[in-house]
Amino acid sequence: GNSVTQMEGPVTLSEEAFLTINCTYTATGYPSLFWYVQYPGEGLQLLLKATKADDKGSNKGFEATYRKETTSFHLEKGSVQVSDSAVYFCALTPRTGANNLFFGTGTRLTVIP
Amino acid sequence: NAGVTQTPKFQVLKTGQSMTLQCAQDMNHEYMSWYRQDPGMGLRLIHYSVGAGITDQGEVPNGYNVSRSTTEDFPLRLLSAAPSQTSVYFCASSYAKGVNGGPTGELFFGEGSRLTVL
Repeated sequence: GNSVTQMEGPVTLSEEAFLTINCTYTATGYPSLFWYVQYPGEGLQLLLKATKADDKGSNKGFEATYRKETTSFHLEKGSVQVSDSAVYFCALTPRTGANNLFFGTGTRLTVIP
Repeated sequence: NAGVTQTPKFQVLKTGQSMTLQCAQDMNHEYMSWYRQDPGMGLRLIHYSVGAGITDQGEVPNGYNVSRSTTEDFPLRLLSAAPSQTSVYFCASSYAKGVNGGPTGELFFGEGSRLTVL
């Protein structure tokens, strides 16, 4: 089957700290992988994506590399800001045009000044 | 830039009542979907549509109905609300791709509708 497992939260970091949020997946076929972010009171929005093995997605200082050998897509940022406080969701679609995205449970990040 | 608009943002129902959550998008997206978000469970797909007149069930369809009479609108109906349907509901849309008309992967979400069933 298809599923995504994220590290349990919440995660609390000081400003300028290094961030890693772990994500591993199980999928049939050749999935595309995504990170979505949900800011307080808002809907989810796409943060970054990778569509094939060894691809690196990046946006707003966040990066994630599609590792097929470890079935992982960990989110990283070198220096977090207070404005990065949000809930982060890892997700996959098992193939282009599949009718569902499978989401992880979300990891809440709080960055304190 | 309206994007995906959901109404209402908040609703309280009594068990057995019915209601409709509205969703409209102005991006001419073929694919539209409804998810529910519950603590510790992430987002789960309720129903989806790959175009006007075409709908199908997702992971958790029981207790919900949908219709897609236009490209823009995709309402979600609760016919007889139950406490288990207390959740935050998100509508999402996307350009369609592939022979099945599924999403490209970049979903555009509404702001959500928080529903409480007493």
